[in-house]
Amino acid sequence: QKEVEQNSGPLSVPEGAIASLNCTYSDRGSQSFFWYRQYSGKSPELIMFIYSNGDKEDGRFTAQLNKASQYVSLLIRDSQPSDSATYLCAVETSGTYKYIFGTGTRLKVLA
Amino acid sequence: GAGVSQTPSNKVTEKGKYVELRCDPISGHTALYWYRQSLGQGPEFLIYFQGTGAADDSGLPNDRFFAVRPEGSVSTLKIQRTERGDSAVYLCASSFGPGEQFFGPGTRLTVL
Repeated sequence: QKEVEQNSGPLSVPEGAIASLNCTYSDRGSQSFFWYRQYSGKSPELIMFIYSNGDKEDGRFTAQLNKASQYVSLLIRDSQPSDSATYLCAVETSGTYKYIFGTGTRLKVLA
Repeated sequence: GAGVSQTPSNKVTEKGKYVELRCDPISGHTALYWYRQSLGQGPEFLIYFQGTGAADDSGLPNDRFFAVRPEGSVSTLKIQRTERGDSAVYLCASSFGPGEQFFGPGTRLTVL
């Protein structure tokens, strides 16, 4: 089992719709979770981080964490073509400052 | 500069050669990370520095890879006897502490 799993996609959604991106992780002791966006040929940029169970909202983005199910998700409301990118989930290995990334989900927002 | 910088942006070398990749983190950031990213994959952790010391080098694939950060700022990733399988984008990231990391633009290494 991979430490951090994401569906590689592509996930295609129409403009204006909600995009839902999912990530599962294996380290039950992990406490910190991050979502990065990576455009083709560019480096990752941080979108959101979440440490506590529940929802965290920032503009059009909502991160959701369920530690019991070892599941973290990212919702993008009112999706725009400019949101088309690969979204990477990163999880901090418990007891360390080492971050494990998933393979990323490619999102396509169709105009 | 305001962000993390990496040099060179591209490096082409021949199998068996030695290469050095440089990372200049955001001023004041004490933590520095090196990752390697292959096409279609997420960044793969290599090493993490807190200050001058390597706090975790468990991701370095073998003893051909080595990294230093002598003054707690700039870091150099060194690869000896390069192999074709070392070809990837090498990313550096820095942070003020644990948590949010800011990535540099990466160095694309091609080993012929």
